[in-house]
Amino acid sequence: NAGVMQNPRHLVRRRGQEARLRCSPMKGHSHVYWYRQLPEEGLKFMVYLQKENIIDESGMPKERFSAEFPKEGPSILRIQQVVRGDSAAYFCASSPGQGAGGELFFGEGSRLTVL
Amino acid sequence: AQTVTQSQPEMSVQEAETVTLSCTYDTSESDYYLFWYKQPPSRQMILVIRQEAYKQQNATENRFSVNFQKAAKSFSLKISDSQLGDAAMYFCAYRLYQGAQKLVFGQGTRLTINP
Repeated sequence: NAGVMQNPRHLVRRRGQEARLRCSPMKGHSHVYWYRQLPEEGLKFMVYLQKENIIDESGMPKERFSAEFPKEGPSILRIQQVVRGDSAAYFCASSPGQGAGGELFFGEGSRLTVL
Repeated sequence: AQTVTQSQPEMSVQEAETVTLSCTYDTSESDYYLFWYKQPPSRQMILVIRQEAYKQQNATENRFSVNFQKAAKSFSLKISDSQLGDAAMYFCAYRLYQGAQKLVFGQGTRLTINP
C-alpha cells in the first residue's frame, strides 16, 4: 500500500501522559501536513513540514504540541501532558510539492482518546 | 487570511435525485485550487473533485460536477443520481496555487441519502 500511513489508528492516554502519532507520507512526497478534527467539526490545520524543517506552524497550540519530520523516518506529532480537550482525530496528509495537481493525500487518521 | 464557508450543516436527498452543496470562500489571490473532499463514516478523506481557478470550464467527475463562479467566490458541488454510498460529510477546501501551501477547509455538510 503506497498511501499515507498513520499509526497508531487508536490511542488511549490518561491525563498528563504523552501521545506520539506517526505519519509516513506517500512514496516520493516530501511535504507533510497535520490536521486535527474534533467531533462533528471540520479539519483544522496544525502544522506543515518538509524534511527537517517546519514551514508553517500557525495552527499549532503554543504549548505541549510539537512536530518533526526528520531526514529519516516518519513525521511525528507529539502531545505532552495530554488533557481531555486533546481528544480528537488527527489526520496526516502529504503532497509532492508544487505543481503536482494541488491535492493533499490523507491518511486514515489517528484517534486519540484522553481519559 | 483565506476562509471557506459552508452554510448548510446538513442536507438530505432522495436516492436517484440531484442535490447541490454550497461553498463560498474569501481570498485576495487569483491563482488557487478548490476541492471537494468526502468523509464517509470510515473517516477517510477522499478527493471528489478539483478545480483550478484559472480554468473557466467547470470540473466534472462522473456524477459529480461543480459550479465555479470566480467573481462571486462560489464553488458548489452537484451530485446527480444520488446513491446510498454518497452519504458522508462533504468538505469544501481551498489551496493557493503557488508553493506547497496548506488546505483550508470549510465546516462541512453532512449529506444523508434517503432510500
